[in-house]
Amino acid sequence: AQKVTQAQTEISVVEKEDVTLDCVYETRDTTYYLFWYKQPPSGELVFLIRRNSFDEQNEISGRYSWNFQKSTSSFNFTITASQVVDSAVYFCALLYSASKIIFGSGTRLSIRP
Amino acid sequence: NAGVTQTPKFQVLKTGQSMTLQCAQDMNHEYMSWYRQDPGMGLRLIHYSVGAGITDQGEVPNGYNVSRSTTEDFPLRLLSAAPSQTSVYFCASRLTGTGFQETQYFGPGTRLLVL
Repeated sequence: AQKVTQAQTEISVVEKEDVTLDCVYETRDTTYYLFWYKQPPSGELVFLIRRNSFDEQNEISGRYSWNFQKSTSSFNFTITASQVVDSAVYFCALLYSASKIIFGSGTRLSIRP
Repeated sequence: NAGVTQTPKFQVLKTGQSMTLQCAQDMNHEYMSWYRQDPGMGLRLIHYSVGAGITDQGEVPNGYNVSRSTTEDFPLRLLSAAPSQTSVYFCASRLTGTGFQETQYFGPGTRLLVL
């Protein structure tokens, strides 16, 4: 069965601290995609990154970085030098079987000034 | 492009009432889907469509109907609303139904309260 686990329900850090959001997934498919989405207090879902199952190369985009490890079925997201605007709920998602997607329960990140 | 649009933004229903949540996209995307988001839970897939005339059930389809008569529109119908359907509903689309390459775009959401 497919599953996405975000064990961290809530995280609170002080501005400028680094923070890592964990995502662990389960799937029997050999071809799949992993995503991270951000949901700010305004409620919309914002796409952050997509990674396919054959590409374990880590990615950095500004203060954001992602670490994909198939050996541990993890796709973790790190924010460096966090800012108040990073406060949001972050969702990890797994796309499998061509058209099915399952989301984790989300991690609420609060950045304190 | 307007992207993915949803109407209404907010709706209050009484138990047993019916209504349709509208979703439209102007990106010529084949794949469209509906999710519900409940407190403490991630998004759960209700129904999806891989193209006009084709729909299929997701994880939580009971109590909802969909149809896809055009590429642009994918309405979600609640035939007899129940308090358990109180939720935030998101519509999403991506370019194709079978490819893994595309980004999925989400609408702004519809907040539904069933009394």
